[in-house]
Amino acid sequence: AQKITQTQPGMFVQEKEAVTLDCTYDTSDPSYGLFWYKQPSSGEMIFLIYQGSYDQQNATEGRYSLNFQKARKSANLVISASQLGDSAMYFCAMREGVRGGSEKLVFGKGTKLTVNP
Amino acid sequence: DADVTQTPRNRITKTGKRIMLECSQTKGHDRMYWYRQDPGLGLRLIYYSFDVKDINKGEISDGYSVSRQAQAKFSLSLESAIPNQTALYFCATSGDQGQAYNEQFFGPGTRLTVL
Repeated sequence: AQKITQTQPGMFVQEKEAVTLDCTYDTSDPSYGLFWYKQPSSGEMIFLIYQGSYDQQNATEGRYSLNFQKARKSANLVISASQLGDSAMYFCAMREGVRGGSEKLVFGKGTKLTVNP
Repeated sequence: DADVTQTPRNRITKTGKRIMLECSQTKGHDRMYWYRQDPGLGLRLIYYSFDVKDINKGEISDGYSVSRQAQAKFSLSLESAIPNQTALYFCATSGDQGQAYNEQFFGPGTRLTVL
């Protein structure tokens, strides 16, 4: 079974508008972390935001925020005031496993975001 | 200078050849990882290492081997390359506490083509 599901292969948004990229996850581990990465067409992986399973508040980093709904096992990325430079692939990832043991990062298949002028 | 470097950045090789991809980091992290990325499949973990003496198989380790020569260096080898190993390969590092634990720092990637 997939651990990370990103149901939107592609998304379009108008410049300056907000957009939400969906991510649901599956784990029975009470301690886990959720990540979002951006991959522009140049190929590098850029870390955006992190949310720990025990964090009480939703994570925010500038124009990025993570809408963490633990009971629903969702960790959606919200980008406010979209810019043309936000056009890229976006990957959701989860770290699970015992700290210092078998932990590793599992990635979703990604969502391609296109920002239109 | 980049914190995580990968060499080569691009490589074309033939079926059956042995090839090594190298990764170096200056972040002082103990943890290092190798991933491959295929179109439509996201990133998949090949091998990971939590220190020089600790190496673990990931999701798709068959056909690959690794060597952790030092804290800063982690190499990935394809003993006998095959065309379906054509992919973009990423090395990554992370710390084991604090902010560095909550992020994996990626290298720029190596684009490998096996003919």
